[in-house]
Amino acid sequence: GENVEQHPSTLSVQEGDSAVIKCTYSDSASNYFPWYKQELGKRPQLIIDIRSNVGEKKDQRIAVTLNKTAKHFSLHITETQPEDSAVYFCAASYGNNNDMRFGAGTRLTVKP
Amino acid sequence: SQTIHQWPATLVQPVGSPLSLECTVEGTSNPNLYWYRQAAGRGLQLLFYSVGIGQISSEVPQNLSASRPQDRQFILSSKKLLLSDSGFYLCAWTRDSPNTEAFFGQGTRLTVV
Repeated sequence: GENVEQHPSTLSVQEGDSAVIKCTYSDSASNYFPWYKQELGKRPQLIIDIRSNVGEKKDQRIAVTLNKTAKHFSLHITETQPEDSAVYFCAASYGNNNDMRFGAGTRLTVKP
Repeated sequence: SQTIHQWPATLVQPVGSPLSLECTVEGTSNPNLYWYRQAAGRGLQLLFYSVGIGQISSEVPQNLSASRPQDRQFILSSKKLLLSDSGFYLCAWTRDSPNTEAFFGQGTRLTVV
């Protein structure tokens, strides 16, 4: 089955700096790659996703890039703010069953 | 609109006691349903998923089981809890179509003592 690895496990940046989180996946059939943000004690919520037919997607301060050949994708957050502090999860899935596998998560801390 | 309900929000259970967590989805039909466990400071581990009534796929051998008695109901159970079963349990659903967002319940924080 699919195996998703995520790095780093923790990331600390100064407010205004950029943050990058990277994930790799094992199953070349995977074609959907969402990113979720989980604030402390709350449920994960989708912040951005990318499908295998595109290489990059941007939404204001966040962007995701996908390299299908290398089987890795990354989340980029620019101009970070304290409210960006949370745990971020990448995921990969394929097929009609949406068998979604998550990375281990990255705890991002943005220092004011 | 679709909503997902998961209860209870918190639970403290003694070792060896049974467990039943329930999840229901409203506003959609034939959803894919999932149970994830999140240990403290760790990622989301897929425990079970279901693509239809009575259809359960198990990802990790353990003393937990899942059932889907109705289209929009997903239950996580155990006959005898272990200390290692402590964690944050999340139910989620997706539409029965490719490449769609997963929606999570509020989660259940289970502490086995």
